[in-house]
Amino acid sequence: DAGVTQSPTHLIKTRGQQVTLRCSPKSGHDTVSWYQQALGQGPQFIFQYYEEEERQRGNFPDRFSGHQFPNYSSELNVNALLLGDSALYLCASSLGGDTGELFFGEGSRLTVL
Amino acid sequence: EDQVTQSPEALRLQEGESSSLNCSYTVSGLRGLFWYRQDPGKGPEFLFTLYSAGEEKEKERLKATLTKKESFLHITAPKPEDSATYLCAVRPDSNYQLIWGAGTKLIIKP
Repeated sequence: DAGVTQSPTHLIKTRGQQVTLRCSPKSGHDTVSWYQQALGQGPQFIFQYYEEEERQRGNFPDRFSGHQFPNYSSELNVNALLLGDSALYLCASSLGGDTGELFFGEGSRLTVL
Repeated sequence: EDQVTQSPEALRLQEGESSSLNCSYTVSGLRGLFWYRQDPGKGPEFLFTLYSAGEEKEKERLKATLTKKESFLHITAPKPEDSATYLCAVRPDSNYQLIWGAGTKLIIKP
């Protein structure tokens, strides 16, 4: 049973560029949440997708956007990258979204130069 | 404002030396409190969910407890493989997000 998969695992961008991160949820899960984790910090909630709609959004600017596809996979897009966007981006899947029992991928490590 | 504070930031123990990690929280209605383990370069791994004060959960050498203001993760006779960062998170009522603490980095020396 495949768990949550994320791609790419590592990437380097320069300021002002745009990036797309991808996530496939655990088999049977229909809800995807995205978190940003800076070094030495806990994850920060970006947004959650359920039934292809953004169900809730955290305190992140509009430069952060996402999408969920009919097969429940998801993308996170970040435009106009800033140095401060350098972090580990975690995708978590769950069933129905009404639970804190999240299954995380290994993350995408983004470095902005 | 919903907030989670974990202490200590780091904890070094000898193998077999039991201890506890603390998670203090303020939240506008608690839907659940969660403990996760995170190994370096990996995503967090779910350990426990606690819903109400007085509740306890156990798994191998770990035991989580909950009061109205804090939770403890007790580690009994730890082994080197228990070394990881332990994260605490809360889910407020009417909210789908988790609010996370910064974690406690636990190092168990053989």
